[in-house]
Amino acid sequence: AQKVTQAQTEISVVEKEDVTLDCVYETRDTTYYLFWYKQPPSGELVFLIRRNSFDEQNEISGRYSWNFQKSTSSFNFTITASQVVDSAVYFCALSEGYSSASKIIFGSGTRLSIRP
Amino acid sequence: GAVVSQHPSRVICKSGTSVKIECRSLDFQATTMFWYRQFPKQSLMLMATSNEGSKATYEQGVEKDKFLINHASLTLSTLTVTSAHPEDSSFYICSAMQGGGNQPQHFGDGTRLSIL
Repeated sequence: AQKVTQAQTEISVVEKEDVTLDCVYETRDTTYYLFWYKQPPSGELVFLIRRNSFDEQNEISGRYSWNFQKSTSSFNFTITASQVVDSAVYFCALSEGYSSASKIIFGSGTRLSIRP
Repeated sequence: GAVVSQHPSRVICKSGTSVKIECRSLDFQATTMFWYRQFPKQSLMLMATSNEGSKATYEQGVEKDKFLINHASLTLSTLTVTSAHPEDSSFYICSAMQGGGNQPQHFGDGTRLSIL
């Protein structure tokens, strides 16, 4: 069965600190997608990244970076030099197969608070 | 980019009322749409998968007679919460798949439903 675990329920750091959000997943499929979404207090889901199971290259986008490690079934997300606007709930998610018609399974989310 | 519009963004109504939520893909055709529910401080849980022109597929534990889904066109899916009760108060989010294959899902901004 597929499962996504975000062990960190809440994280609070001071602005400009780096912070890493952990994500561990379980799946029996060899082909799957992993995602990270941001949900600010307003509620909408903001897509951050999608990574397929055959692409283990780490990705960097501005202050955001992602570390995909199939050996440990992890897809961690790091925010460098955090800012107050980064405060939100972050969800890691998984969908099996290569079709986006597959349902997305979300982790429980990590609430990130950045203090000024 | 692909846009999914969800309407209304917020609904407050009395217990026993039926509420309809619309999910529209504005600039693409969506053969498949998904409906998720998110209770306060919890993760998103898939309720059902909606396919244009056919019956929706409901996840285990979701009452199909209470949550009516209609996907009558390639750009519109509706979720009707029938005879809503306070326990149905939640944040409902839809997503739509653009095209086929491995195109990403696009999420609406969600509908916050409050039943008094």
